[in-house]
Amino acid sequence: GAVVSQHPSWVICKSGTSVKIECRSLDFQATTMFWYRQFPKQSLMLMATSNEGSKATYEQGVEKDKFLINHASLTLSTLTVTSAHPEDSSFYICSATGGARYEKLFFGSGTQLSVL
Amino acid sequence: DAKTTQPNSMESNEEEPVHLPCNHSTISGTDYIHWYRQLPSQGPEYVIHGLTSNVNNRMASLAIAEDRKSSTLILHRATLRDAAVYYCILPSKGNQFYFGTGTSLTVIP
Repeated sequence: GAVVSQHPSWVICKSGTSVKIECRSLDFQATTMFWYRQFPKQSLMLMATSNEGSKATYEQGVEKDKFLINHASLTLSTLTVTSAHPEDSSFYICSATGGARYEKLFFGSGTQLSVL
Repeated sequence: DAKTTQPNSMESNEEEPVHLPCNHSTISGTDYIHWYRQLPSQGPEYVIHGLTSNVNNRMASLAIAEDRKSSTLILHRATLRDAAVYYCILPSKGNQFYFGTGTSLTVIP
């Protein structure tokens, strides 16, 4: 099956710094990518939808200035957590799809962010 | 957008079949039914999806009710590696995948 590579797997940063997470589709063109966050023992929460070459669409309650998403190519999307604070500590997961509703999602392995 | 309802948890003995139900009574005619699963500390992985007909792949089978208001994911022989949270999802009109609480499957050796 298709592979989505997500890096880094884990990151520890100081409060106030910014962290960038990369998501790459290795063997298909990802027209659409999604970013999720997941707190312990909870389900995945959709943060934003990113279409290649367009601005990301954020879910209600997600701060677009804090979670910057770039999807400049059909194989790469990045999520930057700006001025991270301890409450931003979470498991962040990206996923990619060709874009049609009948197509399946492929997920990255996730990034565990810990903000000190 | 159609919503799904799943039991919070289920148990199965190893080597036995498992039937994981999902209700989606407000499904529309063009809604696909997707199933994903998530093992601890990993990203979810695709299991199976379908529209109207039953579907089979190497991982599982998907049985879709004739009125499409419910579906069942079937694992033919549960193994310890199948212990995970299973999510039934109907992508939105905008093709967003919203995850519910899913069903936590415990496989008993």
